[in-house]
Amino acid sequence: DAGVIQSPRHEVTEMGQEVTLRCKPISGHDYLFWYRQTMMRGLELLIYFNNNVPIDDSGMPEDRFSAKMPNASFSTLKIQPSEPRDSAVYFCASSFLGQGSMDEQFFGPGTRLTVL
Amino acid sequence: ILNVEQSPQSLHVQEGDSTNFTCSFPSSNFYALHWYRWETAKSPEALFVMTLNGDEKKKGRISATLNTKEGYSYLYIKGSQPEDSATYLCAPSGSARQLTFGSGTQLTVLP
Repeated sequence: DAGVIQSPRHEVTEMGQEVTLRCKPISGHDYLFWYRQTMMRGLELLIYFNNNVPIDDSGMPEDRFSAKMPNASFSTLKIQPSEPRDSAVYFCASSFLGQGSMDEQFFGPGTRLTVL
Repeated sequence: ILNVEQSPQSLHVQEGDSTNFTCSFPSSNFYALHWYRWETAKSPEALFVMTLNGDEKKKGRISATLNTKEGYSYLYIKGSQPEDSATYLCAPSGSARQLTFGSGTQLTVLP
């Protein structure tokens, strides 16, 4: 398995532009998580899905952020409009809860977002 | 959101030294405790997931213990090697299963 795939790996955009980050979880995993890593706040959970349904989005910073999971193999995190303070590394992770699972989360390589 | 504290924040040891770090978390509403290893420019990788009080897990030279009653976990590295240099994150989860990550312990092993 290729692991969790994220695209793009790097994104540089200007303030006010829309940004879309993409994630493909590991096949068979039923949980998908979006995290943001910053120097100030460390690794923080933004939102997570179970079987494509959003379960908890309380970590989403504000209405400019939205996330979708239209099917089991794809999720997006959108920021519209983007602001310089959104600059961070965004990680996607997936896991499954079932027999033989230790419930560990497998992280993608991250998307480094820079908003100028 | 759980209050997770890790100590020390950073640590420098000589190759061959053994070391340990601490993770403290609220003992109420506990479901599991995860340890992750995060190398610079890479993604966090799961080391251990522990759920029961008194659990001990081991992977090579790295081991971890869990005390859910008092809310702490220790991570031990025996005979540290330069390739052990990384940030070690702990993350407890409550009944809702989402993880709350600590700020991590940054370990540097000097050759």
